[in-house]
Amino acid sequence: TQLLEQSPQFLSIQEGENLTVYCNSSSVFSSLQWYRQEPGEGPVLLVTVVTGGEVKKLKRLTFQFGDARKDSSLHITAAQPGDTGLYLCAGAKAAGNKLTFGGGTRVLVKP
Amino acid sequence: AAGVIQSPRHLIKEKRETATLKCYPIPRHDTVYWYQQGPGQDPQFLISFYEKMQSDKGSIPDRFSAQQFSDYHSELNMSSLELGDSALYFCASSLGEMTGEQYFGPGTRLTVT
Repeated sequence: TQLLEQSPQFLSIQEGENLTVYCNSSSVFSSLQWYRQEPGEGPVLLVTVVTGGEVKKLKRLTFQFGDARKDSSLHITAAQPGDTGLYLCAGAKAAGNKLTFGGGTRVLVKP
Repeated sequence: AAGVIQSPRHLIKEKRETATLKCYPIPRHDTVYWYQQGPGQDPQFLISFYEKMQSDKGSIPDRFSAQQFSDYHSELNMSSLELGDSALYFCASSLGEMTGEQYFGPGTRLTVT
């Protein structure tokens, strides 16, 4: 059983539309991190959320950590073709602990 | 800003050979992690070091070993390579006592033929 699950696995939308990616777990995490990964490259850290209910914004990207620190979401407003990529959520049980990944969501934004 | 450095970026080995992957963490980061990512899969945790001591161990084969040196760089040693070891190997680093957010290197693509 996957400790962390992302949904959907794949999302295809038109430029200008909004999208939301979910990252869910039955376990509590001390932090959740969102990454974006291009093929053959290392994951690039987008944001870390640590406080239940926390909301962080990065330009058109909004990240939320659930009140119980078991789930998180990534919302992209007015998506652009440059947002196309693989988005990964990853949780850590404590600072300095290994990351458990959620399976990834592949986003395709068509012009 | 300085990032995690990994070398080599690409490595081709034959079955039963050995390989050594190197990782140089972000300056002042005290924790290093190794992950293995197969095609279409998530990165899977192998092993981590905090202040030069092994701090956690994941699904790392007995054929693999790793260590962190006094300058905080880390090496992953892989012996008796198998075809199934072909993957991307990532090193990540963090400042352990903080939020633990991990910064990944560009990876080493290992191909075993």
